[in-house]
Amino acid sequence: AQSVTQLGSHVSVSEGALVLLRCNYSSSVPPYLFWYVQYPNQGLQLLLKYTSAATLVKGINGFEAEFKKSETSFHLTKPSAHMSDAAEYFCAARKTSYDKVIFGPGTSLSVIP
Amino acid sequence: DADVTQTPRNRITKTGKRIMLECSQTKGHDRMYWYRQDPGLGLRLIYYSFDVKDINKGEISDGYSVSRQAQAKFSLSLESAIPNQTALYFCATSEQGPYTGELFFGEGSRLTVL
Repeated sequence: AQSVTQLGSHVSVSEGALVLLRCNYSSSVPPYLFWYVQYPNQGLQLLLKYTSAATLVKGINGFEAEFKKSETSFHLTKPSAHMSDAAEYFCAARKTSYDKVIFGPGTSLSVIP
Repeated sequence: DADVTQTPRNRITKTGKRIMLECSQTKGHDRMYWYRQDPGLGLRLIYYSFDVKDINKGEISDGYSVSRQAQAKFSLSLESAIPNQTALYFCATSEQGPYTGELFFGEGSRLTVL
């Protein structure tokens, strides 16, 4: 069965520092991959998605992610953290466009002033 | 107004009570989903529906049932609530057909079972 893992349930960074949130997937074929963000007391919203058009994907709010097939990874980065980036981040995957979406356990990002 | 609306947003109930969580959407999407969020476990799929006549079990359907009353409405029921069903529940929608799978979420329904 396909699974999604996120290394680190909680990550803290200083304001202005690099944000790196890790995601690995298990799949025999490159899946569709997503990053969602959940701000406090809100539902999830899409940050970015990989659909095989390009390995480096740019999303909203300055985030980007790189798909690396050899590492089965889809890590999320942002060059400079803002206080407003504090949230829960979820990596998700689906094997085909008709499959269900499987979510990772999430990483809570704290940004220290 | 939100595209995906969940009611109630918060509910406290007692063990053994029947609870219904409702979801309505104005996005015109055919596919609707119910997820459950628990700390450290991410979101787990309870049920999903690809159209009004198509309802499918997800990873954790035991103890839950659903009803798709119309394209825009998808309800989740707990027939006899138990404490380990205390969680944050999300309804989501997505488009039909070959698509890249973006889900659109409601703001969640927080359920506490005492």
